[in-house]
Amino acid sequence: DAGITQSPRHKVTETGTPVTLRCHQTENHRYMYWYRQDPGHGLRLIHYSYGVKDTDKGEVSDGYSVSRSKTEDFLLTLESATSSQTSVYFCAIAAGISGNTIYFGEGSWLTVV
Amino acid sequence: AQKVTQAQTEISVVEKEDVTLDCVYETRDTTYYLFWYKQPPSGELVFLIRRNSFDEQNEISGRYSWNFQKSTSSFNFTITASQVVDSAVYFCALTNDYKLSFGAGTTVTVRA
Repeated sequence: DAGITQSPRHKVTETGTPVTLRCHQTENHRYMYWYRQDPGHGLRLIHYSYGVKDTDKGEVSDGYSVSRSKTEDFLLTLESATSSQTSVYFCAIAAGISGNTIYFGEGSWLTVV
Repeated sequence: AQKVTQAQTEISVVEKEDVTLDCVYETRDTTYYLFWYKQPPSGELVFLIRRNSFDEQNEISGRYSWNFQKSTSSFNFTITASQVVDSAVYFCALTNDYKLSFGAGTTVTVRA
């Protein structure tokens, strides 16, 4: 158990509405990540954070923003949800002895209708 | 750029057969880490192993074993005497600079 909690776990929303997913960790890890998983694409990095207020884009960042105002929380916002953002979203943290092992949360299933 | 290729999309075996999952990677970095994750039907991603680029020693953990060969840029995973509970999607991944790049995954189905 890497101490990662994602919320909500399941959400259905309408096209054009904003959506925020929350990732909470309990162990003060510096690095946090948001990935999305889609059939045929595997897992792709959306955004990541390397400290409070320090974030950077991944390979599929368009349409997403993130914020990290506290070490323990990393928020992913879909500014105006589209059907192409229907996906499973995973939060992750880098932990382990040298901080190079990445552990994942349980996932958040998002459906945009 | 980094790339991970899992050429096998699906593998189906009968219980107790051995299964080998192939993973080939590309990177220009000399220091990197390789991973395997398991995603059972319940959907969570379970960390199985991490190997750094300087450690080519093979590893065995119960029925699982991993063969890292830097010369061929491969990090293959074998499940010995497979069980129904091994049915899952298995992902190989590569990281340097704290960002993971995943392969597309191999779906393993173990039939009783």
